[in-house]
Amino acid sequence: LAKTTQPISMDSYEGQEVNITCSHNNIATNDYITWYQQFPSQGPRFIIQGYKTKVTNEVASLFIPADRKSSTLSLPRVSLSDTAVYYCLVGLRSNDYKLSFGAGTTVTVRA
Amino acid sequence: DAGITQSPRHKVTETGTPVTLRCHQTENHRYMYWYRQDPGHGLRLIHYSYGVKDTDKGEVSDGYSVSRSKTEDFLLTLESATSSQTSVYFCAISEWASGGSSYNEQFFGPGTRLTVL
Repeated sequence: LAKTTQPISMDSYEGQEVNITCSHNNIATNDYITWYQQFPSQGPRFIIQGYKTKVTNEVASLFIPADRKSSTLSLPRVSLSDTAVYYCLVGLRSNDYKLSFGAGTTVTVRA
Repeated sequence: DAGITQSPRHKVTETGTPVTLRCHQTENHRYMYWYRQDPGHGLRLIHYSYGVKDTDKGEVSDGYSVSRSKTEDFLLTLESATSSQTSVYFCAISEWASGGSSYNEQFFGPGTRLTVL
C-alpha cells in the first residue's frame, strides 16, 4: 500500500481557500487518490476521488500532477462548518478495504 | 445517510470483562469493517468482512474477534477487555465495485465510545 504524508494541522479563516497537500511517492500505476472528511463525533465521509489531472465536485477540487506523487485537496471559501479532519488515501479503486486512514489533517476554520 | 447503526453508542466496562459491539446495516452491502480511532492515530482497521462468515484481519486485530452470521450484522468482540482498548469504534460498509467502474465508497456508522476502566 502506498504510504501517504500530509500535514498534521492547518488553520484558516472564513472565506479563504484551503489547500491540503498529500505526498504519496510510491503510488502504484493502478492506485486512485481518495479524500475523506470527518467532523467531530462523526464517522468519516467520502468527499472526492481522482486518478490524474483535476477533479471537481460541489464540495472540493482535487489536483493531481502528472507524476502523481502528490495531490492537493482544495476547499474553496471555507466556512466554520468545514472544520474537520481530512484524510488522504491511496489504493486500488475497487479494493480499498485495506486502506489506512492515517492521522489526517485537522483543519480549523476561524471566524 | 446510509442505514448503519451501532450499539451500544457508549459503554463503560471493567478490565477483564467481555464486550460485544454490534453493527447493523439495512443497505445489503457486501463489505463490513470495524475501525478504532485514537488520538494521533487516525482510523485503524481491526477486522473486515467480505461476506457472510467470511472475515479477515486488519492492522490491529490482536485482542479482537468478529463474526458475521447475517449480511446485515457484524459483531466485534473483545474477549477480555483491557484499558488499551479504550477507544471510539466505527463500523463501515461498502459494496463491491465491479470492474473498477465505480468506487466502493465506505459509509460509516455513528461510532461507539468504549471506556475500559
